Amino acid sequence: GGIITQTPKFLIGQEGQKLTLKCQQNFNHDTMYWYRQDSGKGLRLIYYSITENDLQKGDLSEGYDASREKKSSFSLTVTSAQKNEMAVFLCASSMWTTYAEQFFGPGTRLTVL
Amino acid sequence: GDSVTQTEGLVTLTEGLPVMLNCTYQSTYSPFLFWYVQHLNEAPKLLLKSFTDNKRPEHQGFHATLHKSSSSFHLQKSSAQLSDSALYYCALRNTGNYKYVFGAGTRLKVIA
Repeated sequence: GGIITQTPKFLIGQEGQKLTLKCQQNFNHDTMYWYRQDSGKGLRLIYYSITENDLQKGDLSEGYDASREKKSSFSLTVTSAQKNEMAVFLCASSMWTTYAEQFFGPGTRLTVL
Repeated sequence: GDSVTQTEGLVTLTEGLPVMLNCTYQSTYSPFLFWYVQHLNEAPKLLLKSFTDNKRPEHQGFHATLHKSSSSFHLQKSSAQLSDSALYYCALRNTGNYKYVFGAGTRLKVIA
């Protein structure tokens, strides 16, 4: 089996600050994803990456940047944190086959003061 | 585009009663459907997924049947347990598409 690690677990930032969230996986999966989880809104896709150095925008990419420099890691940057923003950011990975499941990390909980 | 609808935001049940969580979808193609479960303070994890042949997937007492005619993949269990209390997501993925599309989620609360 494998595991997805997200750091930090909790992230507190100031309004306007640039904040970076990190994700590592040891499944050797090609595809990785970043989701934002808000209560009652499901999982909304921010960015995904098909392979190393590839980046694809999701439905919620405005205000975020991403980076995939290695196959095993995928970073997400909040370019300018918004006051009162509070959400959980989930990283996931999967094989490329259509019926493959996604594996999720434990999440990073963001609070902006 | 593709979409997944979960009509109930919260379902509250008494232990021992049957569970049915609704999931309908819209897709141009024939997607694979998934159910994920997320317990409090844990990561979402796969509960079950549709098969390519018409077998009914089952796991931990839960099952779901893909009905292409009604574009549905409802989650069912004959008898709810307190430990089933969690957030449940229905999702789909189409062939050749790397993206998964998730519903808004249904929170199941089982009470004694």
